[in-house]
Amino acid sequence: SQQGEEDPQALSIQEGENATMNCSYKTSINNLQWYRQNSGRGLVHLILIRSNEREKHSGRLRVTLDTSKKSSSLLITASRAADTASYFCATDEAAGNKLTFGGGTRVLVKP
Amino acid sequence: GAVVSQHPSWVICKSGTSVKIECRSLDFQATTMFWYRQFPKQSLMLMATSNEGSKATYEQGVEKDKFLINHASLTLSTLTVTSAHPEDSSFYICSASDRSSGRMNEQFFGPGTRLTVL
Repeated sequence: SQQGEEDPQALSIQEGENATMNCSYKTSINNLQWYRQNSGRGLVHLILIRSNEREKHSGRLRVTLDTSKKSSSLLITASRAADTASYFCATDEAAGNKLTFGGGTRVLVKP
Repeated sequence: GAVVSQHPSWVICKSGTSVKIECRSLDFQATTMFWYRQFPKQSLMLMATSNEGSKATYEQGVEKDKFLINHASLTLSTLTVTSAHPEDSSFYICSASDRSSGRMNEQFFGPGTRLTVL
């Protein structure tokens, strides 16, 4: 079963704008990961944030984690047309060591 | 490093036939492999977890006799969809992790296999 929800389900922005998407989950976690998936392709790992971390940066990506609210956000700054993809959060649960994926956010960046 | 391949990348088969999908870790030993299914415009759903040399652990609602998983070596896992039907048409993705290393929390994903059952 899916761990949590992502919102929005879809996002359409202009190139250069920032894109923010959120992920909520239900159980205790070891870490939370964000992935990108281009249409019909495999997953690309973007960033992993551990349960004892609150914020992490990687290039134009910024991820926050609030374990008290069981939520995370992914911010893509200065978006590009090539950022058009679906973005998924996935939680590595404290008991089980398996990933559970959120529903995903489909991002369209218009040139 | 940490490359995972899948073969085939796509397959079309007739209803009632069986299809085997391979998942290989190319440059590391995958002590654990995971199989996911993804329907169009939906998220990935974990089907089963397999550890090398032992039986796979299936998620609730996944028929183990229909989706046969074999993880006979540290670099290869196979998923066989037996007696496939049109409702089995989906995108199947594997991932692999090396729990003997310091990167045990990371899963490395294959590119996926598109199965279409006519």
